[in-house]
Amino acid sequence: DTEVTQTPKHLVMGMTNKKSLKCEQHMGHRAMYWYKQKAKKPPELMFVYSYEKLSINESVPSRFSPECPNSSLLNLHLHALQPEDSALYLCASSQDLGDIEKLFFGSGTQLSVL
Amino acid sequence: AQTVTQSQPEMSVQEAETVTLSCTYDTSESDYYLFWYKQPPSRQMILVIRQEAYKQQNATENRFSVNFQKAAKSFSLKISDSQLGDAAMYFCAYRSALKDMRFGAGTRLTVKP
Repeated sequence: DTEVTQTPKHLVMGMTNKKSLKCEQHMGHRAMYWYKQKAKKPPELMFVYSYEKLSINESVPSRFSPECPNSSLLNLHLHALQPEDSALYLCASSQDLGDIEKLFFGSGTQLSVL
Repeated sequence: AQTVTQSQPEMSVQEAETVTLSCTYDTSESDYYLFWYKQPPSRQMILVIRQEAYKQQNATENRFSVNFQKAAKSFSLKISDSQLGDAAMYFCAYRSALKDMRFGAGTRLTVKP
């Protein structure tokens, strides 16, 4: 299994809603990442987890709350989002943080905040 | 800080022809990887090719090859015998140890039948 699976594929939410994005991989990777990608822009790093601990937080607003329940799962909890948070949210994984080989990406969750 | 620059927002190629996408980067590190990712309309980021900085030999993957000029900090992607399925956004990316992946702004490639 060489896939990173993200659910849901599409999500529409209001500014008062609470929702979660999920990411799963079964490649034994110990580093997992959340990226945000606005239309026609490159992905921008949000968070990095290494061995289930938050390693990098790129000054992301607290309305985004990551969680790594185990080595295979990565969640992104969303609360009180703004319309400008509408974007494609990509999850990725790699063998570990020190591994500078490729990242495996999921297909993303397209989020629309109304 | 490492930066990755793609100076061609859009490129177009005729089917079966060859096209080259440009990428330059800035770094003071000696050990790093360079990547080209493809993002088709499905939005999935697909690795096309990667190059280890310590290797002088240019990487090749079937119709895809790179021209890696370490001193010039240049990393261009050549697509030979272009196919309709090659149409996508192409991102050049840089990564060093214990650092995250840095992406260029992307080049949108159109393939004309």
